[in-house]
Amino acid sequence: SQTIHQWPATLVQPVGSPLSLECTVEGTSNPNLYWYRQAAGRGLQLLFYSVGIGQISSEVPQNLSASRPQDRQFILSSKKLLLSDSGFYLCAGKGSSYNTGELFFGEGSRLTVL
Amino acid sequence: GNSVTQMEGPVTLSEEAFLTINCTYTATGYPSLFWYVQYPGEGLQLLLKATKADDKGSNKGFEATYRKETTSFHLEKGSVQVSDSAVYFCALSTGSARQLTFGSGTQLTVLP
Repeated sequence: SQTIHQWPATLVQPVGSPLSLECTVEGTSNPNLYWYRQAAGRGLQLLFYSVGIGQISSEVPQNLSASRPQDRQFILSSKKLLLSDSGFYLCAGKGSSYNTGELFFGEGSRLTVL
Repeated sequence: GNSVTQMEGPVTLSEEAFLTINCTYTATGYPSLFWYVQYPGEGLQLLLKATKADDKGSNKGFEATYRKETTSFHLEKGSVQVSDSAVYFCALSTGSARQLTFGSGTQLTVLP
């Protein structure tokens, strides 16, 4: 089965500090990968998606960036965090084999910027 | 563009009550429709799905029917349990790489 491992689970960082969230995928090759953010009490916002190594599409201009150095690895980064970056970050994937479009999700990373 | 409009919450019910969470959509083409559930502090899990008109998705006592004529995919359960307390997201996919369009989520709390 397809699974996503995401870490760290919880992170508290000061404003202006860097960020690195990482997720890895098991059980499928050449997946599409996604980073979502969920602010407190709100829905999901798509931040980035990737259809392959080195291919990143950005949905929302911001101080975050994403990279995909390997087929099953997806990283979310920032050089300088803002207070507004606080939220729950979810990595998601879609396998390369045929399916009806559903995604599988990691357990999430809760970021608090102070 | 694609969009999903979901019943606003929070919804609070007593155990064994009937649940309906409304979801309507706008999409080009023929989307697949999904309900995801998010338990506190966790990621999202696929609850059920339907890929074409009149399909009924079901899982864990929850059901939703793909209604093309009303562009709806309402989630229902005949008798909710305390363990059903979670946030429920309606979503659609038209198969593009950009993937899912989510509704805003509905917080459900079931009281014993």
